[in-house]
Amino acid sequence: DAGVTQSPTHLIKTRGQQVTLRCSPKSGHDTVSWYQQALGQGPQFIFQYYEEEERQRGNFPDRFSGHQFPNYSSELNVNALLLGDSALYLCASTVGATWAEAFFGQGTRLTVV
Amino acid sequence: RKEVEQDPGPFNVPEGATVAFNCTYSNSASQSFFWYRQDCRKEPKLLMSVYSSGNEDGRFTAQLNRASQYISLLIRDSKLSDSATYLCVLMDSNYQLIWGAGTKLIIKP
Repeated sequence: DAGVTQSPTHLIKTRGQQVTLRCSPKSGHDTVSWYQQALGQGPQFIFQYYEEEERQRGNFPDRFSGHQFPNYSSELNVNALLLGDSALYLCASTVGATWAEAFFGQGTRLTVV
Repeated sequence: RKEVEQDPGPFNVPEGATVAFNCTYSNSASQSFFWYRQDCRKEPKLLMSVYSSGNEDGRFTAQLNRASQYISLLIRDSKLSDSATYLCVLMDSNYQLIWGAGTKLIIKP
């Protein structure tokens, strides 16, 4: 049984470009949360998807958007990339808000140049 | 003031020693607390949940002090493989995780 898988693992983009990151949650998990982790910082909550809807959102601009598909997989889209968007993007899957049984993907390391 | 504060370290500790980290939080409505471990350039992994009564898992002991709003992690008989960054995490009233920036631990032979 695969855990949480994210793709791609690494990505280099130019300022102003757009990027799409993907996450497949652990089997049986229905909720996907996305986090941004800058170097030397803890993860920052971007948003959470449940039943194909954005349920909660952190303090991120509208350039960050997402989607959840009927199979619970999710995408994170970032438009008009800034240098400051360079970070590790983590996807966490849970059953609802049961964080004691959360699984994280290995992350996508995005570098904006 | 940050919602979750941790000493960034690094803590340089000889193998076999005992090391303790503290973490303070500002939101008294926080519901649940966790310690995560993160190896360099890897995803965070749950180390243990933290309960008001305190809990132990092998060499690891976690304590929660709601009155003073801090949680602690104690590692006994430290191993080289314990070298990592330890992240203090709380779940807020919206059931979202709020993360500290982590404490870096280096165990030396």
